[in-house]
Amino acid sequence: DTAVSQTPKYLVTQMGNDKSIKCEQNLGHDTMYWYKQDSKKFLKIMFSYNNKELIINETVPNRFSPKSPDKAHLNLHINSLELGDSAVYFCASSPLYPLPANTGELFFGEGSRLTVL
Amino acid sequence: AQTVTQSQPEMSVQEAETVTLSCTYDTSESNYYLFWYKQPPSRQMILVIRQEAYKQQNATENRFSVNFQKAAKSFSLKISDSQLGDTAMYFCAFMSPSKSTFGDGTTLTVKP
Repeated sequence: DTAVSQTPKYLVTQMGNDKSIKCEQNLGHDTMYWYKQDSKKFLKIMFSYNNKELIINETVPNRFSPKSPDKAHLNLHINSLELGDSAVYFCASSPLYPLPANTGELFFGEGSRLTVL
Repeated sequence: AQTVTQSQPEMSVQEAETVTLSCTYDTSESNYYLFWYKQPPSRQMILVIRQEAYKQQNATENRFSVNFQKAAKSFSLKISDSQLGDTAMYFCAFMSPSKSTFGDGTTLTVKP
């Protein structure tokens, strides 16, 4: 069984469209994340949720909206897609809390490559 | 703000030799973790090694070890007996309850 699974793995769409990427983890972790990896391979955090509560919200356009229906799921919805949104989006989960009992290690999904034309 | 700096965008090493990847970070937090992740061409992110900030002992995982200098905020990765399968991009990462920051990565090529 895949620990952190993302769908879809690949997504090609036109500018201006709205799309969603789904993420599910079966590790029982309380904390989930979305990262963006751009064409230069730079990896930046976008959002972090702990037990459905938003913890980290970096400077991300408000066209990006995360939704966590329960602690095992963190979906990413993107409105009005732009060319610059083309990237690989990684979902991850972590047993971050409580510190220092847990390791904080990130378990990554396989990534979703989004291409905006 | 937390920053993580990897000063070597690219490195290469001969098979079976040793290579060290550097990483420095800046933080005012006391509870945090440091990691090295590997990303091969398959793009899967793979944990190489972790270090808890409160532990003084350097972490070791088979051929991989770190040199953690907390006062200097330095966290370098040493790969011994390099193998062709070690060819990948390596990311240094800082994790705390409120922050998650990755360095820009070092592309390592192991040459036969």
